[in-house]
Amino acid sequence: DQQVKQNSPSLSVQEGRISILNCDYTNSMFDYFLWYKKYPAEGPTFLISISSIKDKNEDGRFTVFLNKSAKHLSLHIVPSQPGDSAVYFCAASARGSQGNLIFGKGTKLSVKP
Amino acid sequence: DAGVTQSPTHLIKTRGQQVTLRCSPKSGHDTVSWYQQALGQGPQFIFQYYEEEERQRGNFPDRFSGHQFPNYSSELNVNALLLGDSALYLCASSQNPTPGTAAFFGPGTRLTVL
Repeated sequence: DQQVKQNSPSLSVQEGRISILNCDYTNSMFDYFLWYKKYPAEGPTFLISISSIKDKNEDGRFTVFLNKSAKHLSLHIVPSQPGDSAVYFCAASARGSQGNLIFGKGTKLSVKP
Repeated sequence: DAGVTQSPTHLIKTRGQQVTLRCSPKSGHDTVSWYQQALGQGPQFIFQYYEEEERQRGNFPDRFSGHQFPNYSSELNVNALLLGDSALYLCASSQNPTPGTAAFFGPGTRLTVL
């Protein structure tokens, strides 16, 4: 049973526009959420995280929003650039864990020039 | 500063064989976690090593075992390989992580079981 769900396998966006990647979760014990980006032939690279006590975290062009009541988070990339084209993974870390991560299946973002 | 390194890059084995994958963590990191990423899926947590002991384990059978050495490097061993073990195996390192700690991932080892 998937505890972290990314229901959109792919997303295509025009350069300069906003990319919104969505993630849903089911486990109320999750208290941290992280986004990773993965290029082909490379390992996932950490992008941004958010604690469950916050509803927004911003880092440059990347903003993550958390809606705890809906068990939903989203990653906004503004403005999108062709170099952002990659697979984006949503991951969650549970209270009491030593940082082991539960990942969604990923969303492949394509940013077209 | 080298990041997380893994060897080999690719590996082909046949069913029933055994395999050992290796990982060197990022400098300054003492904790190594292993993940399996099947095609079209997200990485799935196998286990985590800290102070040379397995600290946490995901839902994987005993055929999957590991080891951590005093220099913090780690090995993942898989016995009696099955076709379903074909996947990208990712190693991640961190400094004694707590929830929310961002792990640094290596490029992975692509294992193909024929």
